[in-house]
Amino acid sequence: DVKVTQSSRYLVKRTGEKVFLECVQDMDHENMFWYRQDPGLGLRLIYFSYDVKMKEKGDIPEGYSVSREKKERFSLILESASTNQTSMYLCASRRNRNQPQHFGDGTRLSIL
Amino acid sequence: SQQGEEDPQALSIQEGENATMNCSYKTSINNLQWYRQNSGRGLVHLILIRSNEREKHSGRLRVTLDTSKKSSSLLITASRAADTASYFCATDEGAQKLVFGQGTRLTINP
Repeated sequence: DVKVTQSSRYLVKRTGEKVFLECVQDMDHENMFWYRQDPGLGLRLIYFSYDVKMKEKGDIPEGYSVSREKKERFSLILESASTNQTSMYLCASRRNRNQPQHFGDGTRLSIL
Repeated sequence: SQQGEEDPQALSIQEGENATMNCSYKTSINNLQWYRQNSGRGLVHLILIRSNEREKHSGRLRVTLDTSKKSSSLLITASRAADTASYFCATDEGAQKLVFGQGTRLTINP
């Protein structure tokens, strides 16, 4: 089975901090994704990557950046955390477009 | 943008009954996928149905796709308490990403 591991289930940070969320997958998948999930808004795509060192903006990239230095790892970075970035963050990976996405358990991030 | 729109937003039924959830979308798709999310967890893939398929089964799940109406339905038969979760449809529009709906919250009452 594919395993997508997110480094933290819960995280509390302060406004203005630089925050790193890490995601690792163990199935050599090409594509990786970062979403945030908020009540009433569903899942919104922040960034995705289709190869090492490649990244594409999703629907809500403002205030975020990403890094993919190795195929198995995709990091989401909040450059200067703000309270409106308090959310559930979900990482996913997939082999290609005709395959489903596999999700991690999520990181519930609170910015105080 | 949220292309897939699920209906209803919430559904509460008795254990043993069937549950039907619907999804509508706006543009042409390569495939449509259904996912389940238990409270506080990540999403789990249930079924992927391609645009040239009309129906697909997996255990107690049945998914239909009507591309002329741009709609899909997920049927869960003989529901169980463990089926309580949120269910999402997601459409592959051909831009390397999925677009998720806001989900249907399903509650199975014992």
